[in-house]
Order: sequence, then C-alpha cells, then structure tokens
Amino acid sequence: DAMVIQNPRYQVTQFGKPVTLSCSQTLNHNVMYWYQQKSSQAPKLLFHYYDKDFNNEADTPDNFQSRRPNTSFCFLDIRSPGLGDAAMYLCATSREDRATDTQYFGPGTRLTVL
Amino acid sequence: AQSVTQLDSQVPVFEEAPVELRCNYSSSVSVYLFWYVQYPNQGLQLLLKYLSGSTLVESINGFEAEFNKSQTSFHLRKPSVHISDTAEYFCAVSDNNAGNMLTFGGGTRLMVKP
Repeated sequence: DAMVIQNPRYQVTQFGKPVTLSCSQTLNHNVMYWYQQKSSQAPKLLFHYYDKDFNNEADTPDNFQSRRPNTSFCFLDIRSPGLGDAAMYLCATSREDRATDTQYFGPGTRLTVL
Repeated sequence: AQSVTQLDSQVPVFEEAPVELRCNYSSSVSVYLFWYVQYPNQGLQLLLKYLSGSTLVESINGFEAEFNKSQTSFHLRKPSVHISDTAEYFCAVSDNNAGNMLTFGGGTRLMVKP
C-alpha cells in the first residue's frame, strides 16, 4: 500500500542534543509537510516543501530545520531541543498544493526531551 | 484569515447512541472543509471532506457531515457509535487564497463507553 512512513515512532533525546526525524512516502506526492502537535492540541504547521521549494511558517523557531533530498524523503532537524519541543511530530503529503488536495499523514514520531 | 471552532473539547457517549461533533468556521472567502480522525498514538486520517456539490457528505464507516453555509458550520454526526470510534476528531478548513494550508480546530475527544 502507498503510504507515509515515519521513523522512529518514538525518540528520546537530551536537552540540547541535536535530533533528526525521518519521513518517507511512496505516494510520489509533490508536497511534504511537517507539523508539531503538543498534547491535546491541534497540529501546528512548521514548514512544507513543494518539490524542492521550501516554505517556512513565520512563527517556526530557527531551531527547526528541514531537508528534502529527493521526492520520497524529508527530514526534520531540531538543532538544540528544549523541554518545550517535546511533542508528536507529524509528516504529511499531498499531491499538489491546491486547497482541495487531501493531506495524508504518517503515524507520527513522539519526541521526548530529557 | 480563517478560524475553526470546535465547541466541545470532550464528548462522552454510550455505545450505540447517536453523536454530533460540532464545528463552526469563519472565513471571508469560500472554504473547503475536512474532518480528520486521530486514534491514540497515530497520525491523522481523513474521515470525509466537502469540496462542492451536495452539502451532505458521508464516510465509509457511517459518519456524515453537512455543510451549512448560512450557519458556517460543518457538524459531524453518526447515528450509532461503536467503542472503536473512540478517538480525537479534528475539523479543518482550507481556501484557494491559502493554497493547501489547513486551519485546524482544537479537536474534540469522543469517548464511547460500553
């Protein structure tokens, strides 16, 4: 089945220690998104790629970076995680960036910061 | 700018009872509407969406939602819930001015009790 895969599902890191979360997709979609979801809250968009074009949300902290080396893979790098960065990180894809396009979500990576 | 309000943060209901999860939005332009479901420790899955045409849309697992433009609402209903419907439900909107950027409501936790 075509899908969005996130690895690892659970990640524990130490305060200030860089961490990378991975997302891959077999849907061949042009757009990939990263969301942060804190407990009992709605997902918050961090940034997205249309193909190789990177689009950062205005309020995304500089501590968060992303890479998309090819169509299938996208990475979220947190350079110096703080306790407030503990959250579920969701990757999503869509075929295009039209308002009518469905976003398909991966299962998420739950990040714990010690 | 858009906003989405889910009036109930939690909805407890007994199995086989009907349920309605409320969603209201505000926007100065025409919108597209989505309901996503999130099971514990999972990503979001599209439940149903309204893009155009018939204002009543249905999902494969018995949920339905009706777009009401005059009341700016898109309430989700199911005539008889199952234990397996226990999850968080998110209403979201997009519009042609914002591309595929979704604005999410705060979520409603549906708790089905035996």
